[in-house]
Amino acid sequence: EAGVTQFPSHSVIEKGQTVTLRCDPISGHDNLYWYRRVMGKEIKFLLHFVKESKQDESGMPNNRFLAERTGGTYSTLKVQPAELEDSGVYFCASSQDRRGRQETQYFGPGTRLLVL
Amino acid sequence: AQSVTQPDIHITVSEGASLELRCNYSYGATPYLFWYVQSPGQGLQLLLKYFSGDTLVQGIKGFEAEFKRSQSSFNLRKPSVHWSDAAEYFCAVGALKYGNKLVFGAGTILRVKS
Repeated sequence: EAGVTQFPSHSVIEKGQTVTLRCDPISGHDNLYWYRRVMGKEIKFLLHFVKESKQDESGMPNNRFLAERTGGTYSTLKVQPAELEDSGVYFCASSQDRRGRQETQYFGPGTRLLVL
Repeated sequence: AQSVTQPDIHITVSEGASLELRCNYSYGATPYLFWYVQSPGQGLQLLLKYFSGDTLVQGIKGFEAEFKRSQSSFNLRKPSVHWSDAAEYFCAVGALKYGNKLVFGAGTILRVKS
C-alpha cells in the first residue's frame, strides 16, 4: 500500500510568485491534514479536511494560503503571493475516519519550500 | 493552551548506550500521544503511539515509551542505540476534543557516536 505522497519534494521561488503543493493521501483515508515547519520552529497545524470539506482551518496563517481538496482525494495548498517567511517544510498527513475515536496520522515526506 | 515540551534540542550518545528522550505536555483534555522520527532527507515516520490501556508501549526499531499521567510525560527510551538511530525525534499530542490535530514538540536531534 502506497503511503502519503507529496509533490514537489523541493521548490525554490522568488518572493511574490505563486507555488502550489500537492498531497496524495493513503487510499481510503478521509482525513487529510496540512502542517508546516518553519526554520527552527515546531511543526504546526495548518488545516484539516474530512473528505472535501474543511473541518478546521484555524492554523492557516493568512489569506495568501488556499487549500483545496476537490473530490475528497488529493489536496493542494497554494501560496499566493509567497513571502520570505513562508519558507519551510510543508507536511501532509492522512488518517482513517474512525467515527470520533483516536486516529493515527501518517505523514508524507514533506515539501521543502524556499522563498528568495 | 496545549503545548508539548522537548527540553533537549540535541543529544549525543555512544553507539550501544541507552537513550531516553524527554517529552512533557500540557493539555486540557485526555491526550493521546505519539513519537515520530525524521531521518535526514526523509519524512516523519511513526515510532509508537499511546491511546489508552497499558502505559508502557512498544514501537518499531526497539523503541518504547511510558505514559505517566501524574507527570504529564511520555518519554521515549531505547536500551541500546544504533548508528542508524541518528535522526530528529518529535513528540506529538492530540485529543478528540481538539479535532485530532496534533501539537508537536520542537524536536530532539540525536547524534550517535561510534
